[in-house]
Amino acid sequence: GDSVTQMEGPVTLSEEAFLTINCTYTATGYPSLFWYVQYPGEGLQLLLKATKADDKGSNKGFEATYRKETTSFHLEKGSVQVSDSAVYFCALNGGSEKLVFGKGTKLTVNP
Amino acid sequence: NAGVTQTPKFRILKIGQSMTLQCTQDMNHNYMYWYRQDPGMGLKLIYYSVGAGITDKGEVPNGYNVSRSTTEDFPLRLELAAPSQTSVYFCASSSGGRPDTQYFGPGTRLTVL
Repeated sequence: GDSVTQMEGPVTLSEEAFLTINCTYTATGYPSLFWYVQYPGEGLQLLLKATKADDKGSNKGFEATYRKETTSFHLEKGSVQVSDSAVYFCALNGGSEKLVFGKGTKLTVNP
Repeated sequence: NAGVTQTPKFRILKIGQSMTLQCTQDMNHNYMYWYRQDPGMGLKLIYYSVGAGITDKGEVPNGYNVSRSTTEDFPLRLELAAPSQTSVYFCASSSGGRPDTQYFGPGTRLTVL
């Protein structure tokens, strides 16, 4: 079945550092790919998404490119801020009603 | 727009008690979902619904029940609460289009003692 594997955390960075959170997936066909973010004490909210190969999703300085050849959707940000501290989830939708989530990666950014 | 709302925010139950977690969305979405989030374990789908009157099991349905009598509401019922049901519960909804972006409520933190 469909699955998502993302790098285990926690990840701790200093402010203005470069961020990469790796995400790879297994799916048949052409899934849509998502990154969701969960700030402390809140529900998940969509950060960015991509629906086909080579699409780049972007939002709030974060980017991720749908790479079908490597089945990856890595999240990147050039300069993180303290306010980016959160848990990040990679997810895919393979065409059914359901999302498949990774286990989440906790990011802490120190001033 | 309120989006997806959940009540209560917090609840403590004793073993064997029952309760209903409420979920309401005002986006006229056909699809609704219940997840549980255990520490360090990501989200697991409990039940979902593709429209009023239609529900289906997810990964971890045991110990829970749902109903969907209206488009807006999707309550989750816990019967005979057990410590293993201590978790944070999230309700979500989506339009069902592609890509199927889900919109999440703020969650209910449940502790069973």
